[in-house]
Amino acid sequence: SQQGEEDPQALSIQEGENATMNCSYKTSINNLQWYRQNSGRGLVHLILIRSNEREKHSGRLRVTLDTSKKSSSLLITASRAADTASYFCATRYNQGGKLIFGQGTELSVKP
Amino acid sequence: EAGVAQSPRYKIIEKRQSVAFWCNPISGHATLYWYQQILGQGPKLLIQFQNNGVVDDSQLPKDRFSAERLKGVDSTLKIQPAKLEDSAVYLCASSTPGLVNTGELFFGEGSRLTVL
Repeated sequence: SQQGEEDPQALSIQEGENATMNCSYKTSINNLQWYRQNSGRGLVHLILIRSNEREKHSGRLRVTLDTSKKSSSLLITASRAADTASYFCATRYNQGGKLIFGQGTELSVKP
Repeated sequence: EAGVAQSPRYKIIEKRQSVAFWCNPISGHATLYWYQQILGQGPKLLIQFQNNGVVDDSQLPKDRFSAERLKGVDSTLKIQPAKLEDSAVYLCASSTPGLVNTGELFFGEGSRLTVL
C-alpha cells in the first residue's frame, strides 16, 4: 500500500495566494521528498527533508516535517498560474529503501 | 545534460497483446526505476535496478511483466499479455549511487498505455 496520504486531494486558489498541502505517513522514515507533475509530464523533484530536520526552504517553497505526528506540509507562497500541477510527497523509510509516493494533491492556481 | 529518455510516448493495444517500453537513463546513473502511474494515483514502483542487477521487484506482476537492463544502461519493460487494468503511464526514473540514499529521482516524460 502507499506510504503517504495527502490532503487535500484538490486545491483551487487565486494567483498570489499561498497553497498548503499536507502529507501523512505510517512508519518511521529516513527522508521525505516532494515532487511536482505537470499534466502529461514526468515528475520533477522539488525538495527533500531528512528525518532529523524540521523545516527547509527553497525559493517560494517551505517544507516542514513533524516526525512525532508522522506528517509533512508543503507551502507554496505567492502562487502563480505556472504552479498549477499535481504535487506528490514520497517517503523513503530506510537508507537505500524504495521511494513510495502518495496519491497527490492537484493544485489549480487561477490567474 | 540530457534527461531520461522514454519511448514510445503513447501506445494503444488490444487486451492480450504485448507491448514494450524503452528507457535510457541519464548518463552515469547506475540506478534505474520503472513506476506505474494509474490515472489519479501516485506512481507505484514496479522494479528497481542497480547497474544490471535487480534490487526490488516485489510489486512487479511477474506472470505478465518483465524488465531487463542487460548492459547496465538502458532498460526495457515488457507486458505480455496485457490486461485492461494495465492502462497507465509507465514512468522511468534514474539516480546516481550517491543519490540513492538521499533519494532525488530524475523522471522521464512517461509512456502512456491504453489497453482496449
